[in-house]
Amino acid sequence: DARVTQTPRHKVTEMGQEVTMRCQPILGHNTVFWYRQTMMQGLELLAYFRNRAPLDDSGMPKDRFSAEMPDATLATLKIQPSEPRDSAVYFCASGLVLAGGETQYFGPGTRLLVL
Amino acid sequence: GNSVTQMEGPVTLSEEAFLTINCTYTATGYPSLFWYVQYPGEGLQLLLKATKADDKGSNKGFEATYRKETTSFHLEKGSVQVSDSAVYFCALSDRGYQKVTFGTGTKLQVIP
Repeated sequence: DARVTQTPRHKVTEMGQEVTMRCQPILGHNTVFWYRQTMMQGLELLAYFRNRAPLDDSGMPKDRFSAEMPDATLATLKIQPSEPRDSAVYFCASGLVLAGGETQYFGPGTRLLVL
Repeated sequence: GNSVTQMEGPVTLSEEAFLTINCTYTATGYPSLFWYVQYPGEGLQLLLKATKADDKGSNKGFEATYRKETTSFHLEKGSVQVSDSAVYFCALSDRGYQKVTFGTGTKLQVIP
């Protein structure tokens, strides 16, 4: 049963520290998404990639966030420096472009707390 | 741009009650429509989907019909169980994951 994996599952850090979150998409999927979920804002799309190239990162604060796909099996989301307002659950999702009706497969999330 | 509007939660029902969670959308073109479910401490997972007008998606007793004339995709289940307690998200997407848009989610609590 193929799944999206994310590490770490939980992260507590202090304001100003760098945070790196990793995602392994399902093998063969060509699209990867990063979302942030908070009680106040709900689910926000931060960025997504197609065939490892960024297609849209307009939802991501550019000054402190960066997202990359070093290879097809790894996506990373970095925050530097982190701030308390970045506390949230960060989800990675992957999918395969077909002829429409494409499903997103979500990972379990990284729960980030910035003190 | 695209948007999805869901009914506000939380929704509290007794076991075996009938469930409806309303979802309406605005979109250009002909998007696909989805319902995702999120159980506590987990990521979202697909519950059902419909790719064109009048299609009915169904899974685990849940159903939703793509109504283009009313731009709606309401989620229904005839008899809910405690295990259905979760947050339900309505979403739409154009072909190739373009213009992916999620609703704000509706929390469902089913009590015995």
